[in-house]
Amino acid sequence: GQQLNQSPQSMFIQEGEDVSMNCTSSSIFNTWLWYKQDPGEGPVLLIALYKAGELTSNGRLTAQFGITRKDSFLNISASIPSDVGIYFCAGQLYGGSQGNLIFGKGTKLSVKP
Amino acid sequence: DSGVTQTPKHLITATGQRVTLRCSPRSGDLSVYWYQQSLDQGLQFLIQYYNGEERAKGNILERFSAQQFPDLHSELNLSSLELGDSALYFCASSPRLASNTGELFFGEGSRLTVL
Repeated sequence: GQQLNQSPQSMFIQEGEDVSMNCTSSSIFNTWLWYKQDPGEGPVLLIALYKAGELTSNGRLTAQFGITRKDSFLNISASIPSDVGIYFCAGQLYGGSQGNLIFGKGTKLSVKP
Repeated sequence: DSGVTQTPKHLITATGQRVTLRCSPRSGDLSVYWYQQSLDQGLQFLIQYYNGEERAKGNILERFSAQQFPDLHSELNLSSLELGDSALYFCASSPRLASNTGELFFGEGSRLTVL
């Protein structure tokens, strides 16, 4: 099936550092989304992107929809301990079944105080 | 709290058994989705229902089935369980069939352990 390649798999950073993660695919996506999963919880939507080239911020988080529609990145600035969790990219394929999101395998973020 | 309720939260059973996972979507949401999350495969889409009808199917095994009832709650039935079925099963809901926003509201998941 379709796959999203998400990297890095894990990150260990110091509080205050900036973080960058990305997702790539060989397929074209209509929508790119970034979700965060806290331990014992379900994923929660952070940012949604709907147009190629779109750059959207949500507080300290910034995400971009790649111009080729095949990739997206998420940046977190000035990380804090509560940023710990697993970050997933997800996308809706161009021409695919609407509502059927394809998820990356996640980036596990650990923040040292 | 996403408003999506899943039960049970934890379930331990033996190979060959059958279990049913239950999901109540957010009030007013018509679409329900089931995802399987395992360590090596991430979040895999299983199946989607809209207002009682199946709308999309993903990598769902033939041993698994689901349905959405008139009150919009959904059940995922897993039968002839194998060790590899051990995973977190998430239910998510969204307001519309064509969830163009891609925003899904996830429950806390049901952790299934098959021994």
